[in-house]
Amino acid sequence: QVQLVESGGGLVKPGGSLRLSCAASGFTFSDYYMSWIRQAPGKGLEWVSYISSSGSTIYYADSVKGRFTISRDNAKNSLYLQMNSLRAEDTAVYYCARGVVAASYWFDPWGQGTLVTVSS
Amino acid sequence: NFMLTQPHSVSESPGKTVTISCTRSSGSIASNYVQWYQQRPGSSPTTVIYEDNQRPSGVPDRFSGSIDSSSNSASLTISGLKTEDEADYYCQSYDSSILWVFGGGTKLTVL
Repeated sequence: QVQLVESGGGLVKPGGSLRLSCAASGFTFSDYYMSWIRQAPGKGLEWVSYISSSGSTIYYADSVKGRFTISRDNAKNSLYLQMNSLRAEDTAVYYCARGVVAASYWFDPWGQGTLVTVSS
Repeated sequence: NFMLTQPHSVSESPGKTVTISCTRSSGSIASNYVQWYQQRPGSSPTTVIYEDNQRPSGVPDRFSGSIDSSSNSASLTISGLKTEDEADYYCQSYDSSILWVFGGGTKLTVL
């Protein structure tokens, strides 16, 4: 079955860096766009970044532009998020999600999430 | 740019029907499809409605979606409420200029 498994979260100091990974299985990874979406503790969902199926097109939310870098390795069925210059407000559960292209653009399924805590 | 606004919380009794709204701040609600995600406590979101009113396979027909141009809003209606429906629900839309936008989420309590 389709599965997305995130890893790499943890506790990091403000200004520090972290690299998240998302391992995909159960589908042809290279056929799908992917995104990272985050959820601060007790808060709602915030889209963070998008990467096209080939990796040639990338978008970021304004809140992370210039600090985060999304990438993918289709040979390894993996998605990544390099997070630099981390701030307290980046504390959240980070989900990777497979993109759906139909009459609209949405996400299904989502991984279980990995918690990133930015604190001194 | 637009925002999607949802009520913070709603509550209803088992067996009843509840409707959760998602109001678009500017531009027509009909301009871009709306999706609805359910997030049970401690779990990741799952899709219950896509493209305004379509149900993924496996989602009970107790879940339905609609849009109302007069109020510029989308709605998620859950009939025959069950305790397992207790969750947070998020609406989401896509626009080529702002990309993906989520509503703030609505906590549904089934009491």
